Amino acid sequence: EIVMTQSPATLSVSPGERATLSCRASQSVSSNLAWYQQKPGQAPRLLIYGASTRATGIPARFSGSGSGTEFTLTISSLQSEDFAVYYCQQYNNWPPALTFGGGTKVEIK
Amino acid sequence: EVQLVESGGGLVQPGGSLRLSCAASGFTFSSYEMNWVRQAPGKGLEWVSYISSSGSTIYYADSVKGRFTISRDNAKNSLYLQMNSLRAEDTAVYYCARDANLVGATIFDYWGQGTLVTVSS
Repeated sequence: EIVMTQSPATLSVSPGERATLSCRASQSVSSNLAWYQQKPGQAPRLLIYGASTRATGIPARFSGSGSGTEFTLTISSLQSEDFAVYYCQQYNNWPPALTFGGGTKVEIK
Repeated sequence: EVQLVESGGGLVQPGGSLRLSCAASGFTFSSYEMNWVRQAPGKGLEWVSYISSSGSTIYYADSVKGRFTISRDNAKNSLYLQMNSLRAEDTAVYYCARDANLVGATIFDYWGQGTLVTVSS
């Protein structure tokens, strides 16, 4: 099983600042990586797939990069609605398994 | 507007059974692969099961294999998850999630609001 490790667990950022979230895979997943945002009490929302392609309707301040085992989600200028938990998900060894990272909580500093 | 509405969650004793349903609307259900993803209280996301658009191909996470059964009824625009031999560690919010239908990518572009399953005596 491919293990996805996200860091840091919690990121404290001031509104308007840049946030950089990391996701590491235990083995190469090529560019088969997605990012999701989840707010309290809500379902996750797809942000990025293919490591760097924004999903429909996602603002340009969200960007993804990386390949192989190291990936980054960058939020260029944090807005109030961006404070949430972010998860990465690999789909390289599908089928039959998909795995998520443990999440990074972005909180207001 | 795409909508996925789960139902069927509740409190069940260890060893018991429960059947979850997901009612889909706003898209051609029969054209999309579907999944169940769960989230234990205060924890991260865990993929549970997948079913192809026709229902002919099914996959399960090792943690539920042999205990859970995914199915769909395209005539009723509905997805199901039959859960047997439930354990305390199955306690979670269960989400119905639509596959984005992108070639080479198994990702989830729409999610339901989730239904809570609590396994406890």
